[in-house]
Amino acid sequence: KNEVEQSPQNLTAQEGEFITINCSYSVGISALHWLQQHPGGGIVSLFMLSSGKKKHGRLIATINIQEKHSSLHITASHPRDSAVYICAVQGGSEKLVFGKGTKLTVNP
Amino acid sequence: NAGVTQTPKFRILKIGQSMTLQCTQDMNHNYMYWYRQDPGMGLKLIYYSVGAGITDKGEVPNGYNVSRSTTEDFPLRLELAAPSQTSVYFCASRETGGHEKLFFGSGTQLSVL
Repeated sequence: KNEVEQSPQNLTAQEGEFITINCSYSVGISALHWLQQHPGGGIVSLFMLSSGKKKHGRLIATINIQEKHSSLHITASHPRDSAVYICAVQGGSEKLVFGKGTKLTVNP
Repeated sequence: NAGVTQTPKFRILKIGQSMTLQCTQDMNHNYMYWYRQDPGMGLKLIYYSVGAGITDKGEVPNGYNVSRSTTEDFPLRLELAAPSQTSVYFCASRETGGHEKLFFGSGTQLSVL
């Protein structure tokens, strides 16, 4: 069983919809990262969380350490949000364990 | 700042050939990483470095070597390329191993035929 599970694997939405991507993990962590991989392949770090909630523009990330769960929300989704969203967890060391990603397609 | 620069972007190798993937960063980051991304799989750590002169193996180091002679550069060497090394390779860096964001290079798509 992968230590990091993301759901759904694929998600299609209409422009303007509220999007939620989930990440569950099985080990104790010190931090959780949300990354965005563009259709061209480049990877950008969106958030790094160790507790609570963070917001940047239309993106919101939350984490519940006790439940070992994190969510990434996108409000008022737009076609340019179409990408693969990757969750990664960091344990006691500097190494990260990555989920397989959630492919989001936002249609106009 | 250019961030993390990876070269080449694409490469096709024949079985048994060798090559070096270059990675350089201009952010004075101590920690640097090499990952590979296979279709449908999460990124896997190949090697990492916590500073100049210090490297260590990740999850999938076999068939690869690294060096870290300067803070800026962290090249990945493939010796005797095999089809199993066909993948997309990403270099990444961050200031320390703690709670900082990762910065990624643009990736190298490698095919071994």
